Amino acid sequence: NAGVTQTPKFRVLKTGQSMTLLCAQDMNHEYMYWYRQDPGMGLRLIHYSVGEGTTAKGEVPDGYNVSRLKKQNFLLGLESAAPSQTSVYFCASSDTLRTNEKLFFGSGTQLSVL
Amino acid sequence: GNSVTQMEGPVTLSEEAFLTINCTYTATGYPSLFWYVQYPGEGLQLLLKATKADDKGSNKGFEATYRKETTSFHLEKGSVQVSDSAVYFCAPLSYSSASKIIFGSGTRLSIRP
Repeated sequence: NAGVTQTPKFRVLKTGQSMTLLCAQDMNHEYMYWYRQDPGMGLRLIHYSVGEGTTAKGEVPDGYNVSRLKKQNFLLGLESAAPSQTSVYFCASSDTLRTNEKLFFGSGTQLSVL
Repeated sequence: GNSVTQMEGPVTLSEEAFLTINCTYTATGYPSLFWYVQYPGEGLQLLLKATKADDKGSNKGFEATYRKETTSFHLEKGSVQVSDSAVYFCAPLSYSSASKIIFGSGTRLSIRP
């Protein structure tokens, strides 16, 4: 029972490099989210998707792009990494937007940009 | 917009002590209230929830009551264990928009044997 799987788990980049974080869920969920977690700031929403082929900006979208070409996958891209993007990234999914619906989280990707 | 104020950590307690982690929120409409827990090296997972006023959510000995009049959802446990060491997040969730799903800043809890 995989749930939400994030790859890679760890990555170190140099400033200016690009990379893609992959999130895959096997629960047939419509909604998927990317968050970043920084010390003392909790989770901040980067981008989200309400269904295959759709994406929308969250609270802190600058410097990131996303794609949802398949329902089960939600990709987060960094085109030109900056040290300010050093963070732990979490993907989450949910079936609906009902008020009692919980989010399912991946185990996170720790990214360091030097 | 929605916001949540959560007790700052870290909180360090001895085993079997009583725990309270405060959470107050502002939200549009009638939010559901959640506590999520993050164990070391893992993602967040749901601990408990309450969907309407005066509801009490409970799980693993933790409890929280939805207090609409004080817009609070404080987390309590009567006797903490070392295994409760984790980061706890309060989350009022108003699902009128996916972008309104917000989390508190988290409270790190450490339990001494």
